[in-house]
Amino acid sequence: SQTIHQWPATLVQPVGSPLSLECTVEGTSNPNLYWYRQAAGRGLQLLFYSVGIGQISSEVPQNLSASRPQDRQFILSSKKLLLSDSGFYLCAWSHRDSYEQYFGPGTRLTVT
Amino acid sequence: AQSVTQLDSQVPVFEEAPVELRCNYSSSVSVYLFWYVQYPNQGLQLLLKYLSGSTLVESINGFEAEFNKSQTSFHLRKPSVHISDTAEYFCAVIDSGAGSYQLTFGKGTKLSVIP
Repeated sequence: SQTIHQWPATLVQPVGSPLSLECTVEGTSNPNLYWYRQAAGRGLQLLFYSVGIGQISSEVPQNLSASRPQDRQFILSSKKLLLSDSGFYLCAWSHRDSYEQYFGPGTRLTVT
Repeated sequence: AQSVTQLDSQVPVFEEAPVELRCNYSSSVSVYLFWYVQYPNQGLQLLLKYLSGSTLVESINGFEAEFNKSQTSFHLRKPSVHISDTAEYFCAVIDSGAGSYQLTFGKGTKLSVIP
């Protein structure tokens, strides 16, 4: 069966510090991968998605970036965090030609 | 671009009472629809989906949703709720005609079941 991991689970970072969140998927190959941000009362906002290694599409211009160095690894980064980057970050995956997305447990980021 | 409207941000309901969580999406020729559930501080879990076929879809824990194309709705219902149903529910849509696999989510409805 497939599983998706995210770490860390929680993170408190000062404004201006860098960020690296990691997501890995097990039990499947060539998945589509997604990064979402969930802010209170705003639902989920798609930040990035990837259909393959090194292939990243950005949905929202911001100071975040994403990379996919391996088939089942997806990383969300920032060089300098802003207060507005606080939120709950969710990684998701889907089979290559499927509409069903499966979510990880999330990372709660607080920027102070 | 697709948009999803969940009309109620919070829905309190007594245990064993029925509930309906409303979801409307912007019109499109062909859509796929989903309901996800999120328990506190957890990720989202797929509750049910409509891709094709019968417009009434059911989950294993008693929820059902009906795709209504003319009203562009996909409301979620349960005839008798339990305390364990307390969670936030998200409606999501994919515009299949756009050849995209990207979900557009509503802002969520927090269901609170009162003992």
